[in-house]
Amino acid sequence: QKEVEQNSGPLSVPEGAIASLNCTYSDRVSQSFFWYRQYSGKSPELIMSIYSNGDKEDGRFTAQLNKASQYVSLLIRDSQPSDSATYLCAVNMRNAGNMLTFGGGTRLMVKP
Amino acid sequence: GAGVSQSPSNKVTEKGKDVELRCDPISGHTALYWYRQRLGQGLEFLIYFQGNSAPDKSGLPSDRFSAERTGESVSTLTIQRTQQEDSAVYLCASSFRDGGNSPLHFGNGTRLTVT
Repeated sequence: QKEVEQNSGPLSVPEGAIASLNCTYSDRVSQSFFWYRQYSGKSPELIMSIYSNGDKEDGRFTAQLNKASQYVSLLIRDSQPSDSATYLCAVNMRNAGNMLTFGGGTRLMVKP
Repeated sequence: GAGVSQSPSNKVTEKGKDVELRCDPISGHTALYWYRQRLGQGLEFLIYFQGNSAPDKSGLPSDRFSAERTGESVSTLTIQRTQQEDSAVYLCASSFRDGGNSPLHFGNGTRLTVT
């Protein structure tokens, strides 16, 4: 089992729909979770961080964390073609020297 | 400086040559990571520095790869006797403190092409 797992996609959604991106992780004591967006040919950029169970909203983005289920998700409301990118989940791994570990990413395609 | 700075932005080298890639982290960031990203692939972890020590070198793919860091600042990634499979974008990222509880900030990467 990989330490941080994401469905590679592509996830295709129509413009205006909600895109739901999911991530599971193996370290039960992880405390910090991050979502990054990476456009083709560019570096990853941080879009959300979440540390507590529940939802955290920032504009059209909502991060959801469930530590009991070892699950973190990112919802993108009113998806736009400009949201088309690869979304990377990152988790701090307390059982690996507190390193930040990335999932393989989910490619999102928003179709006009 | 505003962000993580990497140089050169592009490097073309002949197979068998050595290359050195440089990363200037954000001032005050003690954690520094190197990743490799091949075309269309995910991030491949190479090495992690906390200050100038490297708690985790497990990602270095072979003994041709080495990295060092001076204090809590500049890091260099050296690839000796480059091979065509080394062609990729090499990304550096830094974070405040221990890197686990703080997000990483990425540089723009060095695109390495080995001919």
